Amino acid sequence: AQSVAQPEDQVNVAEGNPLTVKCTYSVSGNPYLFWYVQYPNRGLQFLLKYITGDNLVKGSYGFEAEFNKSQTSFHLKKPSALVSDSALYFCAVRADRGSTLGRLYFGRGTQLTVWP
Amino acid sequence: SAVISQKPSRDICQRGTSLTIQCQVDSQVTMMFWYRQQPGQSLTLIATANQGSEATYESGFVIDKFPISRPNLTFSTLTVSNMSPEDSSIYLCSVEGPSGNTIYFGEGSWLTVV
Repeated sequence: AQSVAQPEDQVNVAEGNPLTVKCTYSVSGNPYLFWYVQYPNRGLQFLLKYITGDNLVKGSYGFEAEFNKSQTSFHLKKPSALVSDSALYFCAVRADRGSTLGRLYFGRGTQLTVWP
Repeated sequence: SAVISQKPSRDICQRGTSLTIQCQVDSQVTMMFWYRQQPGQSLTLIATANQGSEATYESGFVIDKFPISRPNLTFSTLTVSNMSPEDSSIYLCSVEGPSGNTIYFGEGSWLTVV
């Protein structure tokens, strides 16, 4: 079974400070991991993904995420937060095998607020 | 990347009516996915739509309530039937991008049932 946990409903950080949004996962087989961002009144925008290779992946808007297999984590990070980063962030996982390969399992989302 | 267009973007619907949401993709894709995001909630998969076959529904979702069409490799529709206020949600279409492995989403259809 596939599942994703985002343990924090909210993350608050001051502009210019580093930010981390946490995600842990459970998956049968090798994980394909994703981060999406949802701005108010918008759909989901793809930020980055991990499929294989380097554990540190870089994505859009200066975000990066580190895959840690032993801890089954895929935390989203950014060295210096911007007020415009304030949004809802979703971590998602898909299986690399099975009958519905494109199906994603989502965490409940983390609301990031960056204050000036 | 894949560009996904959804219509309508927003609508206010009367209780008991039905609404059909369209999803158009700028490339041919094998599978299309329909998700629901209820207010303040995460995304829940409604069904997977393959061209040329019946949609596969997730537990808790039935074809009578959410009929889906998939007439070709770039288009799908989701109908929300006999709507009630509990159906007020964002409905999102998603596909796997042409390079594989990345799942893209449309902007969503924001439905409010009154």
